[in-house]
Amino acid sequence: EAGVAQSPRYKIIEKRQSVAFWCNPISGHATLYWYQQILGQGPKLLIQFQNNGVVDDSQLPKDRFSAERLKGVDSTLKIQPAKLEDSAVYLCASSKGGGSGTVSFGPGTRLTVT
Amino acid sequence: DQQVKQNSPSLSVQEGRISILNCDYTNSMFDYFLWYKKYPAEGPTFLISISSIKDKNEDGRFTVFLNKSAKHLSLHIVPSQPGDSAVYFCAASFSGSARQLTFGSGTQLTVLP
Repeated sequence: EAGVAQSPRYKIIEKRQSVAFWCNPISGHATLYWYQQILGQGPKLLIQFQNNGVVDDSQLPKDRFSAERLKGVDSTLKIQPAKLEDSAVYLCASSKGGGSGTVSFGPGTRLTVT
Repeated sequence: DQQVKQNSPSLSVQEGRISILNCDYTNSMFDYFLWYKKYPAEGPTFLISISSIKDKNEDGRFTVFLNKSAKHLSLHIVPSQPGDSAVYFCAASFSGSARQLTFGSGTQLTVLP
């Protein structure tokens, strides 16, 4: 079974620029999550999708962050404009859904904002 | 407000000895707890979990203990191996959250040969 795929793996941008991250979850996984992990901290949930609908985006800074899940499969997370404090690893994860199954994580995208 | 806390940022253990990683939580609604292991430049990988209806779960060298009254869980690794050196994250979720995980800040385990 192929794991969660993410790209790019690394990205360096200047503040006020925009950036987008892509995620392809494990095949058949209905639930998709985006987490932000700041250095020295644990991952923090940004947004959760069930199929192509948003379940929880209460922690997503909606003035600059947006996310969508295309046709209930792939997902993109966008930041526009980026701030210095957005420097972090962005982790995509997926699970079968319905409260069952293990949450599997992708390798993450390390974003550096200068 | 940190609902899941790992108070030890690092732990060093000799190969072959026991590693004990600790985690505390504050939200009594949590009923499912997990440990993830993370190597550098990789995403977290699931290690072991425990439901709140149990107080112990074993999987090979890994055992998780849950003390609900103290809101405390621990991960025991016996015997520890150099390949176990990684960051270990404690995570918690509650029924109805569709596996939405709240993570601790992690403990860096170093197993010395």
